[in-house]
Amino acid sequence: DAGVIQSPRHEVTEMGQEVTLRCKPISGHDYLFWYRQTMMRGLELLIYFNNNVPIDDSGMPEDRFSAKMPNASFSTLKIQPSEPRDSAVYFCASRPGTSGNHNEQFFGPGTRLTVL
Amino acid sequence: DAKTTQPPSMDCAEGRAANLPCNHSTISGNEYVYWYRQIHSQGPQYIIHGLKNNETNEMASLIITEDRKSSTLILPHATLRDTAVYYCIVRVGYNFNKFYFGSGTKLNVKP
Repeated sequence: DAGVIQSPRHEVTEMGQEVTLRCKPISGHDYLFWYRQTMMRGLELLIYFNNNVPIDDSGMPEDRFSAKMPNASFSTLKIQPSEPRDSAVYFCASRPGTSGNHNEQFFGPGTRLTVL
Repeated sequence: DAKTTQPPSMDCAEGRAANLPCNHSTISGNEYVYWYRQIHSQGPQYIIHGLKNNETNEMASLIITEDRKSSTLILPHATLRDTAVYYCIVRVGYNFNKFYFGSGTKLNVKP
């Protein structure tokens, strides 16, 4: 099992540019989560999906952020336009549904985003 | 929402037990306590969780006080690879999926 896969691992962009982060959850997992980690605010949940449907996006900071999950094996987090304050490490995580250890979220390695 | 309080950092000698405390005085009756850790530059990793009873797995033990207002994570024989930030988390309300991570405890395991 390859675990949760995120790409790119590092992204450097300029303010105003569109940024797309990608995530492939563990096969068979029903839930997918996007988190953001900064020194100031720590680890924050942005949005999560169940069976490809967004359930709670209350953590999404503003309209510049959007997330999609077109199928069970792929999700994107898009920032448009990006701003320097969006610089952070973005983690994707997944977990099983009612089967397996539904208490454990499996995290990917993260994408370090730097907006200049 | 129940929040947690942890010391910002702790030291532990390699091979000794590491005892990481956590206060969660506002925890509700049905809220679980979870522990995750984050090794530098990696994603968080699940360790253990519990509700009322003490729990043990291959990684650690979790001791929850009878009034549930605090808990202790125990790494019985700490190694250098256990150096990480340890997060004590309570599940937000009845939502199985929303965690408040807080600032965690940086555990430094020293030779």
